[in-house]
Amino acid sequence: EVQLVESGGGLVKPGGSLRLSCLASPFSFSHSAMNWVRQAPGKGLEWVSSISATSNYKYYADSVKGRFTISRDNAKNSLFLQMDSLTVEDTAVYYCARVGGEAPYYFDYWGQGTLVAVSS
Amino acid sequence: DIQMTQSPSTVSASVGDRVSITCRASESISYWLAWYQQKPGRAPQLLIYKASRLQSGVPSRFSGSGSGTEFTLTISSLQPEDFATYYCQHYDSYPYTFGQGTKLEIK
Repeated sequence: EVQLVESGGGLVKPGGSLRLSCLASPFSFSHSAMNWVRQAPGKGLEWVSSISATSNYKYYADSVKGRFTISRDNAKNSLFLQMDSLTVEDTAVYYCARVGGEAPYYFDYWGQGTLVAVSS
Repeated sequence: DIQMTQSPSTVSASVGDRVSITCRASESISYWLAWYQQKPGRAPQLLIYKASRLQSGVPSRFSGSGSGTEFTLTISSLQPEDFATYYCQHYDSYPYTFGQGTKLEIK
């Protein structure tokens, strides 16, 4: 069974930073593109960022471009999201999600999410 | 960016009913559309990909159809565990976008 476990969420002040992690098992992580999707409290889903299997390609939503950085460590089966210059609008549950099949990609497995709360 | 619009936003139905949810794209996305189910406090789960392909393990009462700009998710006979929120998502090109969601409530 594919498992994705996010961590690193918490309460942070506006302008602050957080680094989210997602530990993946037991699939061929190094061959799979990965993604971050968020959901503000009581709201819908918003795609945040995607990274290719070898980190050659990275994509970002306009709402986070220039502030968030996606990365991965294939040796440690881990996905990361460095979030800087956080605003209250970034408050959300952040999910990591694996891609299914071949490109273009849908998301076939999701983690349980980690809550990021930005408040003064 | 491609916008995804779901209708209705809320639907009330009873166990055993047939329910359909529509998702419209602002431009053609071929058949690059997925449907997800989300229950309160839980992560989304993939139901349908490539507009009509059923994800492994998903009951056959769920089906998807459509191409281009108009898509439909149909649940043929509602079961108690189907009451949840449903989202469509295009993956034709970045940025990927989701519909606003359709909440399926018990009548």
